[in-house]
Amino acid sequence: DVKVTQSSRYLVKRTGEKVFLECVQDMDHENMFWYRQDPGLGLRLIYFSYDVKMKEKGDIPEGYSVSREKKERFSLILESASTNQTSMYLCASSSSDRGTYEQYFGPGTRLTVT
Amino acid sequence: RKEVEQDPGPFNVPEGATVAFNCTYSNSASQSFFWYRQDCRKEPKLLMSVYSSGNEDGRFTAQLNRASQYISLLIRDSKLSDSATYLCVVAWFGNEKLTFGTGARLTIIP
Repeated sequence: DVKVTQSSRYLVKRTGEKVFLECVQDMDHENMFWYRQDPGLGLRLIYFSYDVKMKEKGDIPEGYSVSREKKERFSLILESASTNQTSMYLCASSSSDRGTYEQYFGPGTRLTVT
Repeated sequence: RKEVEQDPGPFNVPEGATVAFNCTYSNSASQSFFWYRQDCRKEPKLLMSVYSSGNEDGRFTAQLNRASQYISLLIRDSKLSDSATYLCVVAWFGNEKLTFGTGARLTIIP
């Protein structure tokens, strides 16, 4: 079974803090993704990565950065957290091998910025 | 215009009824289509892929209409356990990136 884990289920941070969200997958997947999910807006892609040290902007990258130093780990960084970054953050991974595009999601991190 | 548009509902349906979800997409180059299911406070999971010829998995039927650029999901004989949010998803060939609809919330009423 594919497993994607995220470092925290719930996180509360103050405005201006630097925030790290960690994601680890155990299936040797090439692709990893960070989304945020908000009511009425659905899942929106922040950043994704096709390979170690490679990253590409998604639809809403502003205010975020990412790091992928190892294949199994993809980190999302909020350089200076703001209240409008309060959201559910979901990490996902997928394999390029079969071209099936199925993404496997972690349980999510609910981040509250006060 | 959003790339993928989906009626968010809510859809409140009595147990045993049939319910249908539709989703339209704007990019005619779209190649792959999926339905994901997301239970309350859980992560999305793949429910089924959508093939050009249409496909069925038990009580679930997925269809694709390329000419009109929409996909549909039909759930027959609905069960209480079908209550969830259903997300339509579109991908472009050679692009691992998926685009998600906003999701349609389904509640099955006993």
